[in-house]
Amino acid sequence: GNSVTQMEGPVTLSEEAFLTINCTYTATGYPSLFWYVQYPGEGLQLLLKATKADDKGSNKGFEATYRKETTSFHLEKGSVQVSDSAVYFCALTSTGGYNKLIFGAGTRLAVHP
Amino acid sequence: DAGVIQSPRHEVTEMGQEVTLRCKPISGHDYLFWYRQTMMRGLELLIYFNNNVPIDDSGMPEDRFSAKMPNASFSTLKIQPSEPRDSAVYFCASSPGQGNRETQYFGPGTRLLVL
Repeated sequence: GNSVTQMEGPVTLSEEAFLTINCTYTATGYPSLFWYVQYPGEGLQLLLKATKADDKGSNKGFEATYRKETTSFHLEKGSVQVSDSAVYFCALTSTGGYNKLIFGAGTRLAVHP
Repeated sequence: DAGVIQSPRHEVTEMGQEVTLRCKPISGHDYLFWYRQTMMRGLELLIYFNNNVPIDDSGMPEDRFSAKMPNASFSTLKIQPSEPRDSAVYFCASSPGQGNRETQYFGPGTRLLVL
């Protein structure tokens, strides 16, 4: 079945640094890919998504490109802020439909002033 | 829209007690999901419903767990009897049946502590 692997955290950066969080996937067919973010004490919320190869999802300065050739969907941001400190989850749709998502283990990001 | 609503936000109970977690999905959404999040196991899908019908409950850990969705605006997750290893944050999420059907919208979660 479909699965997703993302880099282990925590990732610790200084404010205004460049961020990359790696995500690779294994899938049959053509899944949609997602990044969700979880701020402390809150539920997950959708950050961005891409539904087909070479699509770029973007939101709040974050970007990720659906790379079928490398089966990757790495999350990037050019200049992080303290307010970006959160846990980031990569996810993809499961085979079999019914809107089921497969989530990665999550990567904690800590941004210091 | 108020988003997905969960209650209670925090629950502390003693081992052996019954625990009921509640969820109100976003109006008009056809899918409802229950997840459990722990440090050790991460985010786990327990069960999900489509149009109030359970589709996949393979993630429910054991018979002590049960979930119901009596109507489109309400679902419960019950643990009876509860055990300390059930301590976790439980999330409910919903998604629309059409349009942006793959995006799930999460509630704030219920933090459960079983002593």
